[in-house]
Amino acid sequence: AQKVTQAQTEISVVEKEDVTLDCVYETRDTTYYLFWYKQPPSGELVFLIRRNSFDEQNEISGRYSWNFQKSTSSFNFTITASQVVDSAVYFCALIGDSGAGSYQLTFGKGTKLSVIP
Amino acid sequence: EADIYQTPRYLVIGTGKKITLECSQTMGHDKMYWYQQDPGMELHLIHYSYGVNSTEKGDLSSESTVSRIRTEHFPLTLESARPSHTSQYLCASSESLPGGPTLYYGYTFGSGTRLTVV
Repeated sequence: AQKVTQAQTEISVVEKEDVTLDCVYETRDTTYYLFWYKQPPSGELVFLIRRNSFDEQNEISGRYSWNFQKSTSSFNFTITASQVVDSAVYFCALIGDSGAGSYQLTFGKGTKLSVIP
Repeated sequence: EADIYQTPRYLVIGTGKKITLECSQTMGHDKMYWYQQDPGMELHLIHYSYGVNSTEKGDLSSESTVSRIRTEHFPLTLESARPSHTSQYLCASSESLPGGPTLYYGYTFGSGTRLTVV
């Protein structure tokens, strides 16, 4: 069974502060894929990043960065110099590749980020 | 540019009405999914399909039904809408792993349908 835990339900920060969203996962599959999605108030899910279990390199994309650590089963997401437009619900998600061909996405419960001007 | 389309984007309907939420994708993906999202944010898988004429129920029990007669189309139907069905419904599709973990891109989501049953 797969599980994704986002312990932070809601976070509020003041604009320009850095913020880290935590994600811890559980899976028995040796091959798996991790994702972060952003859901703004309009409701659609916006894909942010994908990582596979073979690639532990951290990634930086503008103000966003991701820290993937297999040793602690974590895939944390940091926003640097937060902006009001970053206000959204952020979901961490996992697909395990057991070889059975299911590829079902397991979501965390989401973290609601509010950036206060 | 969206490759998966959901209509309508918003729907307000009276109790007891039959409704169909449409979902179509142009990517040729074999796998398609429906998620229900409650006001508390959590996403629940309610239906999925791994190909034409294949449909399965997801983790969350739902009174809705789905069909997959064509690869690109995966509509969701509520025979008799109730206020408890008020939610956002998100459709998604994905391809099968093409032969290597570096090539798998996961799910593509539609923009969602916000359903309100009054």
